Amino acid sequence: QKEVEQDPGPLSVPEGAIVSLNCTYSNSAFQYFMWYRQYSRKGPELLMYTYSSGNKEDGRFTAQVDKSSKYISLFIRDSQPSDSATYLCATTNQAGTALIFGKGTTLSVSS
Amino acid sequence: EAQVTQNPRYLITVTGKKLTVTCSQNMNHEYMSWYRQDPGLGLRQIYYSMNVEVTDKGDVPEGYKVSRKEKRNFPLILESPSPNQTSLYFCASSLFGQGDPQETQYFGPGTRLLVL
Repeated sequence: QKEVEQDPGPLSVPEGAIVSLNCTYSNSAFQYFMWYRQYSRKGPELLMYTYSSGNKEDGRFTAQVDKSSKYISLFIRDSQPSDSATYLCATTNQAGTALIFGKGTTLSVSS
Repeated sequence: EAQVTQNPRYLITVTGKKLTVTCSQNMNHEYMSWYRQDPGLGLRQIYYSMNVEVTDKGDVPEGYKVSRKEKRNFPLILESPSPNQTSLYFCASSLFGQGDPQETQYFGPGTRLLVL
């Protein structure tokens, strides 16, 4: 079992929709989680992070972690065409030497 | 501008012909790392370097070498490339490592490699 699992999609929504992106993880020792956004032909860029016990909101984006079910979510409100990208959930190994990524979910927002 | 640069961005080569992908960062970061990204497999770490004196293997180091002679550069070397090394490669850097979520890891733009 991979340590971080993510449905690759693709996911297509109309502009203005609420988007829910999800991951599951297997190791309860993971302490925090990140969401990266990767535009086509670009490197991943950090969108936001949250600790394993909390939620975090940043503008139209909300990251949630449910420790009991080992479930990570990213919600995007009022989605825009500029949100079209691949979204990667990630955590870090216990040594702090590597990021562990989900496979990424490709999102397309149509205007 | 703070950035991680990689060269070349695209490369087509043949099996067995040694190649080097360069990576450079201008943020005075101690930590640097290489990942490869493959469809259906996601991003996987190849090698990392905590500082100029320390480099170590990641999850998929076979067929790769790295060098960290100076803080800003971390080249990835493929001594004898094979078709299964066809992939999208990313260099990344951060101040000290991955132990602190507030410490952003910056990724380069990627190098797309095709080995025939």
